[in-house]
Amino acid sequence: KAGVTQTPRYLIKTRGQQVTLSCSPISGHRSVSWYQQTPGQGLQFLFEYFSETQRNKGNFPGRFSGRQFSNSRSEMNVSTLELGDSALYLCASSPTGTGAGNTIYFGEGSWLTVV
Amino acid sequence: AQSVSQHNHHVILSEAASLELGCNYSYGGTVNLFWYVQYPGQHLQLLLKYFSGDPLVKGIKGFEAEFIKSKFSFNLRKPSVQWSDTAEYFCAVRNSGGYQKVTFGTGTKLQVIP
Repeated sequence: KAGVTQTPRYLIKTRGQQVTLSCSPISGHRSVSWYQQTPGQGLQFLFEYFSETQRNKGNFPGRFSGRQFSNSRSEMNVSTLELGDSALYLCASSPTGTGAGNTIYFGEGSWLTVV
Repeated sequence: AQSVSQHNHHVILSEAASLELGCNYSYGGTVNLFWYVQYPGQHLQLLLKYFSGDPLVKGIKGFEAEFIKSKFSFNLRKPSVQWSDTAEYFCAVRNSGGYQKVTFGTGTKLQVIP
């Protein structure tokens, strides 16, 4: 069974640009969430999607957005990039996202560098 | 709001030493608890998890953790560490009814010296 797949793995963007990151969850998993990992802030929750609906949202500005498609694949978008957005963006999936047994599995992440 | 505290930011041990990494959480309701490990250059991997039942949980690679509800703690232990255990360890908590939002601790970097 393939794991959580994220693309691209590495990218460099310029301040002011926008970026779209993609995540394919484990087959059969319907819940997808996104996290930002930085040395200073650790792992911080961005948002979670289930059945194409955002169910939960962290404390990030509106420049950070996401969506989920009918096949459970998800994308996150960051507009008007700032230097502080440089981070590892992790996608995670689980069967339904709630309840016992819903272990969350992480992808390898997308390394974003903003210059 | 839930929060997680990992008291040790950087731990250095010699091989064969015993390990205990502290984790305390704050949340008034029922929680699911996790320990994840991130080896250098690799993605987060689940070490072990607690949902309910026996508070002593055994995970992969000889790790275990004990959930002590009265202390809001979920400390990670290993009797004898190996050089290959060098990694960053994250404790995490999720409201058991709260979808997939997981709150992570700031992580503990473990360095095992041969």
